Amino acid sequence: GESVGLHLPTLSVQEGDNSIINCAYSNSASDYFIWYKQESGKGPQFIIDIRSNMDKRQGQRVTVLLNKTVKHLSLQIAATQPGDSAVYFCAEAATGGFKTIFGAGTRLFVKA
Amino acid sequence: EAQVTQNPRYLITVTGKKLTVTCSQNMNHEYMSWYRQDPGLGLRQIYYSMNVEVTDKGDVPEGYKVSRKEKRNFPLILESPSPNQTSLYFCASSFLGLAGRNTGELFFGEGSRLTVL
Repeated sequence: GESVGLHLPTLSVQEGDNSIINCAYSNSASDYFIWYKQESGKGPQFIIDIRSNMDKRQGQRVTVLLNKTVKHLSLQIAATQPGDSAVYFCAEAATGGFKTIFGAGTRLFVKA
Repeated sequence: EAQVTQNPRYLITVTGKKLTVTCSQNMNHEYMSWYRQDPGLGLRQIYYSMNVEVTDKGDVPEGYKVSRKEKRNFPLILESPSPNQTSLYFCASSFLGLAGRNTGELFFGEGSRLTVL
């Protein structure tokens, strides 16, 4: 069945370093991918998205890369800050556009 | 302020006692959805609604009901809660994009933590 998963459940980085969070998806028909950030005690918040006709998209300090050949998605955070500590979810918009399927999440720890 | 509001935020109840978790959004979104979040499982979709009076099952609908009588409200009903429904619940909403497709950019509430004893 459809699934979106993450390679690492926990990632620890030094403040100021770059972070890379990876995600694998299995539904080749998905055409929209999203990263969400969830801080402790809050609901997920949209960070950045990418459509399947692109392989890279940049935002403020964040970049999403999409490799459709190997069904891989990554989120790169430049100059990671303590405020980036959170759980990050990748998600895909399911075929038909009525569902968003989430991965299990990666917890990012930023060490000062 | 644009927001999705859920109530209650925390609830402890007992098996079999009917409860309703309310969800309201003020962004005029067509699409609304309920998710449950459990450790290691991410967010799993319970039910969703494309518009007023239009609802459909997500991936884990058993034991839940929903209604969409008004565009802004999408309550989640547990008719007879059981301990396996102990979870963190999120309501989310979004606009519908071209051809009625969910854009995927969901706006989430703060969550409702439910414990069923």
